[in-house]
Amino acid sequence: DAGVTQSPTHLIKTRGQHVTLRCSPISGHKSVSWYQQVLGQGPQFIFQYYEKEERGRGNFPDRFSARQFPNYSSELNVNALLLGDSALYLCASSLRNPNTEAFFGQGTRLTVV
Amino acid sequence: SQQGEEDPQALSIQEGENATMNCSYKTSINNLQWYRQNSGRGLVHLILIRSNEREKHSGRLRVTLDTSKKSSSLLITASRAADTASYFCATDRQGANNLFFGTGTRLTVIP
Repeated sequence: DAGVTQSPTHLIKTRGQHVTLRCSPISGHKSVSWYQQVLGQGPQFIFQYYEKEERGRGNFPDRFSARQFPNYSSELNVNALLLGDSALYLCASSLRNPNTEAFFGQGTRLTVV
Repeated sequence: SQQGEEDPQALSIQEGENATMNCSYKTSINNLQWYRQNSGRGLVHLILIRSNEREKHSGRLRVTLDTSKKSSSLLITASRAADTASYFCATDRQGANNLFFGTGTRLTVIP
């Protein structure tokens, strides 16, 4: 079975642009979580979706938004990019409980210049 | 903000030696997990220990949890060069729908 897949793997954007990151969960998994990992730090929670509804949101500005589609895949959108948004964005999927059975994708490395 | 803190921040050992990493956290938890990350890529789940457990083993991994001190340790025995990676603890906090990660320990195993 395929694991969690994220696309693209690398991305370079200019300040002020917007970006869309995509995540396909493991087949059968209905929960998707997004994390941001800045270089040298641990991942920080951005969003959690379950059954297409937002179930949790971290301390991130409204420039960050996400959604989950009927096939349980998910998109993370970031508007008006700042240099500080440069990070590895990780997606995690789980059957239901995002805290005990999370499988992470390889991440999208976003660089804002 | 980070929930936990790992120490040391970096650890360098010879192949065959044991590596011990510690994690401290701040609030009540349901469980604590350890993850491994190679070269800034995806996280790989290593082991989960529930709040009512004190010790757990998985292969060469041994995890302890002391809820009174709000701390955990990860021991990797007989280390190998392939164990070189960053290791993170993550807590499942009561009432939260997400994991809270620590700052990580960078382990280097020298062949």
